[in-house]
Amino acid sequence: DTEVTQTPKHLVMGMTNKKSLKCEQHMGHRAMYWYKQKAKKPPELMFVYSYEKLSINESVPSRFSPECPNSSLLNLHLHALQPEDSALYLCASSRRGDAVAKNIQYFGAGTRLSVL
Amino acid sequence: AQTVTQSQPEMSVQEAETVTLSCTYDTSESDYYLFWYKQPPSRQMILVIRQEAYKQQNATENRFSVNFQKAAKSFSLKISDSQLGDAAMYFCAYRPYSGAGSYQLTFGKGTKLSVIP
Repeated sequence: DTEVTQTPKHLVMGMTNKKSLKCEQHMGHRAMYWYKQKAKKPPELMFVYSYEKLSINESVPSRFSPECPNSSLLNLHLHALQPEDSALYLCASSRRGDAVAKNIQYFGAGTRLSVL
Repeated sequence: AQTVTQSQPEMSVQEAETVTLSCTYDTSESDYYLFWYKQPPSRQMILVIRQEAYKQQNATENRFSVNFQKAAKSFSLKISDSQLGDAAMYFCAYRPYSGAGSYQLTFGKGTKLSVIP
């Protein structure tokens, strides 16, 4: 089983709203990732959690706030977003928490976010 | 910095035929991994195949195989006996072997593959 589950599938929010994206995996993976993917572009890494601790923040604006409450769950809290933040947000996980390339990343189906 | 280039924005193939997607990359590292991911309209990124740079033998997964040319920094994907379900965006990706940078997948811009019945 290599399932990463993301909810909701679609989200529409205003610029003053607060919302959260959720990602779950029950594969015992110890690294979890958030990516942002604009239309017709490749995914761009936003955050990496390794053993439930934030390892990488790719200079993401503070209106995006990640949280990893436990090893199975990853949240992305959204506040005061801009229309240009509209994108597909992908979550991924990998078995090992350390940074080794053979650590395959398994992706969820993403949340399509529209900011009005 | 590593870069990955996919020079074919779109390609099409007749069902049951063979198609090759191109990828080149630039790196100063000697050890790394290369991947092909597939993203169908369902949006989920699915790993198709991976290649370890220190292995000379080309990776194969059923109908999918790669032609890895390390000196030329080329990593093409061959899909044999193409099926309608192969229609998707295909991304070539690179990861260094170790270090903090190996969390990061560097993707190419993608090739959109259409399969014609």
